[in-house]
Amino acid sequence: NAGVTQTPKFQVLKTGQSMTLQCAQDMNHEYMSWYRQDPGMGLRLIHYSVGAGITDQGEVPNGYNVSRSTTEDFPLRLLSAAPSQTSVYFCASSASSGNQETQYFGPGTRLLVL
Amino acid sequence: GDSVTQMEGPVTLSEEAFLTINCTYTATGYPSLFWYVQYPGEGLQLLLKATKADDKGSNKGFEATYRKETTSFHLEKGSVQVSDSAVYFCALSSGGGADGLTFGKGTHLIIQP
Repeated sequence: NAGVTQTPKFQVLKTGQSMTLQCAQDMNHEYMSWYRQDPGMGLRLIHYSVGAGITDQGEVPNGYNVSRSTTEDFPLRLLSAAPSQTSVYFCASSASSGNQETQYFGPGTRLLVL
Repeated sequence: GDSVTQMEGPVTLSEEAFLTINCTYTATGYPSLFWYVQYPGEGLQLLLKATKADDKGSNKGFEATYRKETTSFHLEKGSVQVSDSAVYFCALSSGGGADGLTFGKGTHLIIQP
């Protein structure tokens, strides 16, 4: 099992550009989430999904878009990048039954917006 | 809304010292509580968890007890090693796992040889 994978590892964007951060998991988890990590702020939830075709907003959703067309993939789209979106982004997944509250994290994508 | 407060660092200790990182929470209902660890340049790994009052989570010599009366989940280790240097996050889940975790701001732990 690869677990949760994220690409790219690092990206530099110019203000106004768009891009998609990829996230995939091979654990057949129903629940998936995106977080951003900023110095002194911990991790904050951007969007989450409880299954294919179902997404919802977290604490800081503005400027981000998500979709969940398959169980395995949960991409995060930046529509028009801003310097305030410079951050480290983590994707996570968890099961919908049994040990459902334990989240498994990907290695992160470090994004710099100039 | 839910919130987690943990002591901010950096916390610097000598090897073999006793470690306590304080964590308190505010939540509706009966949340599950977690400690995650992040080593430099890596993602977060689950360190331990507790799902109900008085439960003790333990792993790799670390322990934390779910104290409902004080809404706390303090992390302890009797003798720290240099390899324990990392950032530690306290977190809670009150939505059964579907809507993610609420994290504290993290505590940077530095262990000196």
